[in-house]
Amino acid sequence: GESVGLHLPTLSVQEGDNSIINCAYSNSASDYFIWYKQESGKGPQFIIDIRSNMDKRQGQRVTVLLNKTVKHLSLQIAATQPGDSAVYFCAEKRRGKLIFGQGTELSVKP
Amino acid sequence: NAGVTQTPKFQVLKTGQSMTLQCAQDMNHEYMSWYRQDPGMGLRLIHYSVGAGITDQGEVPNGYNVSRSTTEDFPLRLLSAAPSQTSVYFCASSYSSRNQPQHFGDGTRLSIL
Repeated sequence: GESVGLHLPTLSVQEGDNSIINCAYSNSASDYFIWYKQESGKGPQFIIDIRSNMDKRQGQRVTVLLNKTVKHLSLQIAATQPGDSAVYFCAEKRRGKLIFGQGTELSVKP
Repeated sequence: NAGVTQTPKFQVLKTGQSMTLQCAQDMNHEYMSWYRQDPGMGLRLIHYSVGAGITDQGEVPNGYNVSRSTTEDFPLRLLSAAPSQTSVYFCASSYSSRNQPQHFGDGTRLSIL
């Protein structure tokens, strides 16, 4: 079946290290992908997006990589800070609708 | 600029009761949507609207109704609440239905007893 899923449900990193959160998708027709951050008790917050005609996009301390060959998406966070602790969701645009993965909980150890 | 505003923040209902979850945005966004989020799961699309007067079903529409009489408002109605509808509900909006990020409200936490 089609799915947007994450390889790891939890990720623990040391403050200052780089974090990598992975996401797999199975629909090669998806043409738009988004990463969201969700803190406890809040709604998802947009981090970065990427279109399928791109392989890489960078923002402030974040980079999204798209590998269409293996249908894989990743979010890299540089110099991870305690404020980065949250659940991170990837989402793909499929037939005009945004389909979310389950989420990865990122925990940053001081 | 308030963004996406959802009310109420918390609600407890009894089985069979009806209620309306409110969502308003002040960004003049055409596209609005409702999601539910259950523990350990991502967000699932309930209904969406590409503009005033136009609505359509998402992945899990059963038990919910929507209408879009204005650009700003997109209420979600539970006709006869069931315990399976206990969830956190998020409203989101974006400028259009094309490839743009959606902006989310902070959710309504709904418990059905």
